[in-house]
Amino acid sequence: DADVTQTPRNRITKTGKRIMLECSQTKGHDRMYWYRQDPGLGLRLIYYSFDVKDINKGEISDGYSVSRQAQAKFSLSLESAIPNQTALYFCATSDPASGLNSGELFFGEGSRLTVL
Amino acid sequence: GDSVTQMEGPVTLSEEAFLTINCTYTATGYPSLFWYVQYPGEGLQLLLKATKADDKGSNKGFEATYRKETTSFHLEKGSVQVSDSAVYFCALTNAGGTSYGKLTFGQGTILTVHP
Repeated sequence: DADVTQTPRNRITKTGKRIMLECSQTKGHDRMYWYRQDPGLGLRLIYYSFDVKDINKGEISDGYSVSRQAQAKFSLSLESAIPNQTALYFCATSDPASGLNSGELFFGEGSRLTVL
Repeated sequence: GDSVTQMEGPVTLSEEAFLTINCTYTATGYPSLFWYVQYPGEGLQLLLKATKADDKGSNKGFEATYRKETTSFHLEKGSVQVSDSAVYFCALTNAGGTSYGKLTFGQGTILTVHP
């Protein structure tokens, strides 16, 4: 089984619908992240959490919200989806014990969201 | 803030050709630099890293040297294989800048290797 699991893997929805993407991890890492991937733009950070009580906005948080339900679970919500939120979304984890500049993130396989 | 710029893609090569993918960065202080690879249908995985100037990261025949004087971290491989076809991302993290505790990515470069 994957260490970082994302559900659903694919989702098609309509404008205005509420969508939740879920992420769970078995790596025991405190830090979790949500990134969005768009062609030609790389990965952009939406939200990140350094522990259960810590939530931080990334560079493109508008239109998104998150919930850190437990150390192992970090969910991303789109309250009212719009077409330009069509993208591939990645959850990732990291272990702060490996050093401030370790930088190694462990990624899930991605959730492809299409908003019509 | 911190930023990473990669060469425009896509890059198409024949098997056994030499590969270079350019990456330059803007960051204060002393960032750590990374190359990640994304194979089709998968998430990203760390390919190699360098945490200080003049360090060389290497893995699976790929190499990159941290050049502070030119703020660069170019990825190279002497002889590519079809199995190297993927998207490659340059990234940085910076304890002293806007990328503290997280990665800032370049836009990605698509590599296709033909037999």
